[in-house]
Amino acid sequence: QQPVQSPQAVILREGEDAVINCSSSKALYSVHWYRQKHGEAPVFLMILLKGGEQKGHEKISASFNEKKQQSSLYLTASQLSYSGTYFCGTERVRGGADGLTFGKGTHLIIQP
Amino acid sequence: DTGVSQNPRHKITKRGQNVTFRCDPISEHNRLYWYRQTLGQGPEFLTYFQNEAQLEKSRLLSDRFSAERPKGSFSTLEIQRTEQGDSAMYLCASSSNWLAGGPGELFFGEGSRLTVL
Repeated sequence: QQPVQSPQAVILREGEDAVINCSSSKALYSVHWYRQKHGEAPVFLMILLKGGEQKGHEKISASFNEKKQQSSLYLTASQLSYSGTYFCGTERVRGGADGLTFGKGTHLIIQP
Repeated sequence: DTGVSQNPRHKITKRGQNVTFRCDPISEHNRLYWYRQTLGQGPEFLTYFQNEAQLEKSRLLSDRFSAERPKGSFSTLEIQRTEQGDSAMYLCASSSNWLAGGPGELFFGEGSRLTVL
């Protein structure tokens, strides 16, 4: 089942902070975050695993609330390069054969 | 490491024609995924290979779609009798084996954009 992302779009000034949320109605094993710029492939940002392990980007942080099946991506002191569409992808089973189920994305626009 | 390579990058075809896309994954990755992405949507899972074995196929995938990964290297995705609704970006991604402690990170190619007239 497709995770729900919010907000759908965010417009910020450079240096401002943003939070992007991802929620699922099903129990999750992991949440993955990707960023896609227009006309480019999605690029990996972060994995959050059940149990608290994280792996990801040095300037972006995230949390995973296992009880609520929610994840949030925190972008602090945003830079122009952060602009793009952010997708969360959820995995219900470790190494599940159906890969990741992605949300519809959150469009982030950073203005100078 | 040259990353995931896909070709052709763009394909315009007439309804009813067959098309084939190729994906060359990162060489040491044994997992390969095909996704489809339409405007304003996230990538949608189509099928998955571990080495040469096709282990999963989306229920949304009609019989007109077939994928292969001979010898566990490159993969092809063929769409037969294309329809206008097939117009989309077809993304390939590869990853190392999660069960062997791999990171689970997907490396995407730049995609093959299909336009069916």
